[in-house]
Amino acid sequence: AQSVTQLDSQVPVFEEAPVELRCNYSSSVSVYLFWYVQYPNQGLQLLLKYLSGSTLVKGINGFEAEFNKSQTSFHLRKPSVHISDTAEYFCAVTRNSGNTPLVFGKGTRLSVIA
Amino acid sequence: DTGVSQDPRHKITKRGQNVTFRCDPISEHNRLYWYRQTLGQGPEFLTYFQNEAQLEKSRLLSDRFSAERPKGSFSTLEIQRTEQGDSAMYLCASGRVGAYNEQFFGPGTRLTVL
Repeated sequence: AQSVTQLDSQVPVFEEAPVELRCNYSSSVSVYLFWYVQYPNQGLQLLLKYLSGSTLVKGINGFEAEFNKSQTSFHLRKPSVHISDTAEYFCAVTRNSGNTPLVFGKGTRLSVIA
Repeated sequence: DTGVSQDPRHKITKRGQNVTFRCDPISEHNRLYWYRQTLGQGPEFLTYFQNEAQLEKSRLLSDRFSAERPKGSFSTLEIQRTEQGDSAMYLCASGRVGAYNEQFFGPGTRLTVL
């Protein structure tokens, strides 16, 4: 089975500062990895995904993430955040074969301070 | 592509009542997933369909919960004899076979059981 640990439940950061949201996963098989964003009272929107190939993946809204197999991590980064980035961010993992559902972390609340 | 839609967006009910939620997936998607999200947690998998076949159910899906996807199009999730612990956001997602298990989420139905 797969599991995800998001190491920070809340991350406050000043506007235009860089941010990193940390995600570690556990799996005995190869995986696909995803980051989703959730704004208040809304569903989840896909930010980016790692399937294979280059370990640095770029997503929407200026976010990027780096897959590190040896450290089983998939940290999300943005070089300069905006007020509009304030939201809940979820890391998710799934096996890269078969029809398995997503396993989510508990989320990290990013609060951008003006 | 009109996205995944869910109805209703909010439901308030009294304990012991039955409720039914509907999900309309993206039209060409043959997989449909249901997740439950409680406050401060990430989404947790409940069940999923491929076309009209229900392929997997989580142990979270007690016998009070039932899901259907007649004709492989929209899906319904029914909760019988609701309990206060059923209060949560119920999220629906859809995807395609062979699409790396990428899932697109609807806005969710927020259930409050009084």
